[in-house]
Amino acid sequence: GQQLNQSPQSMFIQEGEDVSMNCTSSSIFNTWLWYKQDPGEGPVLLIALYKAGELTSNGRLTAQFGITRKDSFLNISASIPSDVGIYFCAGQNSGGSNYKLTFGKGTLLTVNP
Amino acid sequence: DAMVIQNPRYQVTQFGKPVTLSCSQTLNHNVMYWYQQKSSQAPKLLFHYYDKDFNNEADTPDNFQSRRPNTSFCFLDIRSPGLGDAAMYLCATSGQGTQYFGPGTRLLVL
Repeated sequence: GQQLNQSPQSMFIQEGEDVSMNCTSSSIFNTWLWYKQDPGEGPVLLIALYKAGELTSNGRLTAQFGITRKDSFLNISASIPSDVGIYFCAGQNSGGSNYKLTFGKGTLLTVNP
Repeated sequence: DAMVIQNPRYQVTQFGKPVTLSCSQTLNHNVMYWYQQKSSQAPKLLFHYYDKDFNNEADTPDNFQSRRPNTSFCFLDIRSPGLGDAAMYLCATSGQGTQYFGPGTRLLVL
């Protein structure tokens, strides 16, 4: 089945620094999604990418859908303490009744004030 | 503003005692999902409903059942919880494909 490799597994950065994380897949997806999960909460959608090559921003977050459709990255600029959490990438191939997500294993981000 | 609502947020049950977790949505989405998430892992899909059509994942134990009485509500029934079923249970919905998650229910099995 499809698998996602998400890296890095964890990051420890200073407040104000930029951070980048990425996901690669052994096969193509037609949608890439990035979620953030705080402890004890459900994942919150940050950015959805629907088109190969698409670059989308949401505030300090920027994500890109790789041109090969097998990868995506998420950048966070000027990190702040509330950016702490686990970031998950997810790939999706929607069609018919199948909207299943394939998740990466997550990137744990720690921001030191 | 709540879109996907899960109740309760925390549930304690006893080993072997049936438990039901609830999910409701205000988005009128036709697809609803239940995931199990254990510590430091990604969510794992248990099953999903496309309208009234139930789709079970091949590796979901028979101990887990689901009901969707109408568009807005979906329930997760665990018939005989074991210690290994202690986890966060996440409900999600989608309309055009993108999934939106609820806040989750943390299940503790004593």
